[in-house]
Amino acid sequence: GAVVSQHPSRVICKSGTSVKIECRSLDFQATTMFWYRQFPKQSLMLMATSNEGSKATYEQGVEKDKFLINHASLTLSTLTVTSAHPEDSSFYICSVPPGTPFGETQYFGPGTRLLVL
Amino acid sequence: AQTVTQSQPEMSVQEAETVTLSCTYDTSESDYYLFWYKQPPSRQMILVIRQEAYKQQNATENRFSVNFQKAAKSFSLKISDSQLGDAAMYFCAYSLNTGTASKLTFGTGTRLQVTL
Repeated sequence: GAVVSQHPSRVICKSGTSVKIECRSLDFQATTMFWYRQFPKQSLMLMATSNEGSKATYEQGVEKDKFLINHASLTLSTLTVTSAHPEDSSFYICSVPPGTPFGETQYFGPGTRLLVL
Repeated sequence: AQTVTQSQPEMSVQEAETVTLSCTYDTSESDYYLFWYKQPPSRQMILVIRQEAYKQQNATENRFSVNFQKAAKSFSLKISDSQLGDAAMYFCAYSLNTGTASKLTFGTGTRLQVTL
């Protein structure tokens, strides 16, 4: 069964609106979750590390004020794309590292396809 | 910074045959993990196999095995007895062993086609 869920799976919005994407760990508690972005026919690029109880850590070039991350609990992280524009259209994927005894294995959510018109 | 390179954008294999996907990486660290992930058309990332850098023995998972050459920083994936369901994008990935959750750095991917 699914270990990590994401909601919604697909969203279409108008330019200038904000979109919230949820990532839930169903089987593990996670103090850390990762958010990746995948443009068409490209690889996954890490956007940020979501930390429960503290601020997210953003990768270079990712605007923290545009991509708001809230790690509300040990099983939920949300990514809010604020004032979305067409160039933000992409596939957003979260991952959860369950930790010991699974080592560095990470489990991925099914992804959220965002289309900004 | 660590980098992962996959030099084969596309590969093709006949059903039941064997194919090898290449991956090289660059790191100055000695303790890390390497992974192969499969991404089918559904885009769900699926772990195929993982290798711990401090282990010399190559990892195997049923029809999937790796050839890990630490000195050469090479990590290839061999798929034996290829099946139609193996058709997908395959990503090689690296993560540093920090003792806590560590981010993944992905290669650009190899699209594998399986033909009858």
